[in-house]
Amino acid sequence: AQKITQTQPGMFVQEKEAVTLDCTYDTSDQSYGLFWYKQPSSGEMIFLIYQGSYDEQNATEGRYSLNFQKARKSANLVISASQLGDSAMYFCAMNTGGFKTIFGAGTRLFVKA
Amino acid sequence: DAGVIQSPRHEVTEMGQEVTLRCKPISGHDYLFWYRQTMMRGLELLIYFNNNVPIDDSGMPEDRFSAKMPNASFSTLKIQPSEPRDSAVYFCASSPPGLAGSTRGNTGELFFGEGSRLTVL
Repeated sequence: AQKITQTQPGMFVQEKEAVTLDCTYDTSDQSYGLFWYKQPSSGEMIFLIYQGSYDEQNATEGRYSLNFQKARKSANLVISASQLGDSAMYFCAMNTGGFKTIFGAGTRLFVKA
Repeated sequence: DAGVIQSPRHEVTEMGQEVTLRCKPISGHDYLFWYRQTMMRGLELLIYFNNNVPIDDSGMPEDRFSAKMPNASFSTLKIQPSEPRDSAVYFCASSPPGLAGSTRGNTGELFFGEGSRLTVL
């Protein structure tokens, strides 16, 4: 069965510093995709970054990078130079064949000024 | 282009009443997903469709919940009868066709609606 685990319910980071949000996954499928979404207090879901299971290089999107360690089944999100606007809930997600997409429990990030 | 459109945005109803949530996916998207978000259970996948056909409904909590997709541009999630524990935000999301794990083309990124906040008293 597929599973996503986020073990950090809440994280604090100082503005302008980098922060890593942890995500581990479990699947027996060879083809899968890993995603991070952001949910601000306003409630909408915003796509941040994607990593395919066959991608050999870590994905990057601006200040976001995904640290993909396939053997460890981890897909951690790194946010560089944190901003106050980064305060939000962050969800790790995985899709497998047929695009079934499941989410982790989420990590609430607080950025301190 | 218009995004995923959900209605109503807010619904307050009394226990035992029927609730119908509606979703219009992005045109051209073959996949449609219904999620429920609560503080206790997080984001749960209830059901998803591909080309209007339900593919996996294993997340539907019980027979009180039903979902339909009569055509490519419309889906409903119905709760009958509703109970207070159904109170949640219900998200609809859509995605264009592609392959999970692909390095190019569509990856299965979900495009979410704004959600329908349901309160059952």
